[in-house]
Amino acid sequence: KAGVTQTPRYLIKTRGQQVTLSCSPISGHRSVSWYQQTPGQGLQFLFEYFSETQRNKGNFPGRFSGRQFSNSRSEMNVSTLELGDSALYLCASSQTSGSREQYFGPGTRLTVT
Amino acid sequence: TQLLEQSPQFLSIQEGENLTVYCNSSSVFSSLQWYRQEPGEGPVLLVTVVTGGEVKKLKRLTFQFGDARKDSSLHITAAQPGDTGLYLCAGANTGNQFYFGTGTSLTVIP
Repeated sequence: KAGVTQTPRYLIKTRGQQVTLSCSPISGHRSVSWYQQTPGQGLQFLFEYFSETQRNKGNFPGRFSGRQFSNSRSEMNVSTLELGDSALYLCASSQTSGSREQYFGPGTRLTVT
Repeated sequence: TQLLEQSPQFLSIQEGENLTVYCNSSSVFSSLQWYRQEPGEGPVLLVTVVTGGEVKKLKRLTFQFGDARKDSSLHITAAQPGDTGLYLCAGANTGNQFYFGTGTSLTVIP
């Protein structure tokens, strides 16, 4: 089975712009979670989608949003980018919502200048 | 916020040495996981422990979940350069939402 794929792998944006990141889960997996990883804060949960519905949400501002499509692919969007949004954005897929077994993609490295 | 503190934060050892990484919290978790992350990659799940006091072995790696399900340890025997990476623990609450630890960066020198 192919693993979790994320596109793009690297992205450079300017403050104030918006960005959309994409995640394709492992075939058959219906849950996708998004995380932000920074050296200072570590890995923090953003949100989880299952069957096109947001199931859980972390403590991030409304500038961070996401959605999931009927084929389980997910996108996350960050609007009005700030320098502090520079991070590695990881998505993880699992078969069901709340599953202990989650598999991570390689991440998208976002740099905001 | 269910904070998970890992110690040490950085560890540099010679090949063949043993080491232990600790993951501590004041919160109780329904399960706890350990991941290893290499540069440029996402974390890879190593093990999930569920029962208080549970011990799991994966070749040279031994994982233990504390009796009260608030802490865990990872012990590596005879470390090898391939063990180099960032080790992360993650605790799950009853809704299986995961809270990740601060991470331990391990370097094994040949």
